[in-house]
Amino acid sequence: QSALTQPASVSGSPGQSITISCTGASSDVGGYNYVSWYQQHPGKAPKLVIFEVTNRPSGVSNRFSGSKSGNTASLTISGLQAEDEADYYCSSYTTSSTLVLFGGGTRLTVL
Amino acid sequence: QLQLQESGSGLVKPSQTLSLTCAVSGGSISSGAYTWSWIRQPPGKGLEWIGYTYDTGSTYYSPSLKSRVTISVDRSRNQFSLKLSSVTAADTAVYYCGRSSGHIVVVTNWGQGTLVTVSS
Repeated sequence: QSALTQPASVSGSPGQSITISCTGASSDVGGYNYVSWYQQHPGKAPKLVIFEVTNRPSGVSNRFSGSKSGNTASLTISGLQAEDEADYYCSSYTTSSTLVLFGGGTRLTVL
Repeated sequence: QLQLQESGSGLVKPSQTLSLTCAVSGGSISSGAYTWSWIRQPPGKGLEWIGYTYDTGSTYYSPSLKSRVTISVDRSRNQFSLKLSSVTAADTAVYYCGRSSGHIVVVTNWGQGTLVTVSS
């Protein structure tokens, strides 16, 4: 099964807001609220920033928020900071035997 | 604070078996409330989920790797392991172990990752 679809890159200036989309299908993103988002800095392990579409783990800035409409989930980062520059991956449960899908990743550049 | 640490051979020859272990500290693998996963990332590419185990030893593998993967748990040593057989260059990747709280897609804790290179 194909990975979830994310834009390859997005960019924004400090203080601005950006949104990263993650498009799947009714058998994954659209059908269940099991969408997670991970932040990954170069050479580091991924870090969970959003789970179950809209929930933030303890310790994650409230500048990170998640949402979903139809088969597309979105991650919004408000008040961009230099430290937000990283790769972001979405992940979703799927009813296929694959069970877990990842997006291809989006590189966020803070200008 | 829970910590996960991968260890194993960083260089494996083609057709041989890749073996990695994830040591769990700061918590018990036997708590029963979590799933323990292996995820990999080829250099410069995205994440790929390999499979997971419960502390009971029950496992689930990605269909694309199922014929070559074994994930096992050692409760006495508080660790779990990955074996991937018949490796090729396409298996070269950073391998991460992780713990999921709740649903399998919610990986709350990650190891630092270990690079495994498949080369003769």
